[in-house]
Amino acid sequence: EPEVTQTPSHQVTQMGQEVILRCVPISNHLYFYWYRQILGQKVEFLVSFYNNEISEKSEIFDDQFSVERPDGSNFTLKIRSTKLEDSAMYFCASRGLGGQPQHFGDGTRLSIL
Amino acid sequence: GQNIDQPTEMTATEGAIVQINCTYQTSGFNGLFWYQQHAGEAPTFLSYNVLDGLEEKGRFSSFLSRSKGYSYLLLKELQMKDSASYLCAVSQGGLTGGGNKLTFGTGTQLKVEL
Repeated sequence: EPEVTQTPSHQVTQMGQEVILRCVPISNHLYFYWYRQILGQKVEFLVSFYNNEISEKSEIFDDQFSVERPDGSNFTLKIRSTKLEDSAMYFCASRGLGGQPQHFGDGTRLSIL
Repeated sequence: GQNIDQPTEMTATEGAIVQINCTYQTSGFNGLFWYQQHAGEAPTFLSYNVLDGLEEKGRFSSFLSRSKGYSYLLLKELQMKDSASYLCAVSQGGLTGGGNKLTFGTGTQLKVEL
């Protein structure tokens, strides 16, 4: 069964550094998402992406965040200058047409020191 | 905005049936999704409802009443491996639009005992 893949599985970064999280969505999916989950808390929406542009973003997704689909397969989330409070599990998700469910990758655990 | 409520914890016995309820208040509703999440892992899709009624998928079923803002997930023939957090999530946005973000509840931690 096709799946969403994310790399790396764990990223440790110094505060203030830039970090790029990578995702390969399911190949025939057209809609892409990033979510985060702080330890012990609920899953929170960050951004949705369709047709090479952001379709919606949350209040969390401020100027320090950006997304990109640099080629036909990768979907990346960049945090320009990381803060301690960015420490969380970041999940990428994708879905097909219509009301199909979103499928999640295994996540990247981001630890900011 | 969105408000999604589900019980924090539930305990059930192996082989039994358990119902996990979810109530929501939202605008632009276009679907309710149930996910399973084991600790430290990704949410895994279980079931979803767009229209009112019951959807059955093997041991898992989900029910939706849009007029009441209410859904439940029914798990039958419980197994020890069903011990996990069950997440209720509401989708907003058009079915063919680029949005359809999911807003999650805090999850119901289910413990299955012998």
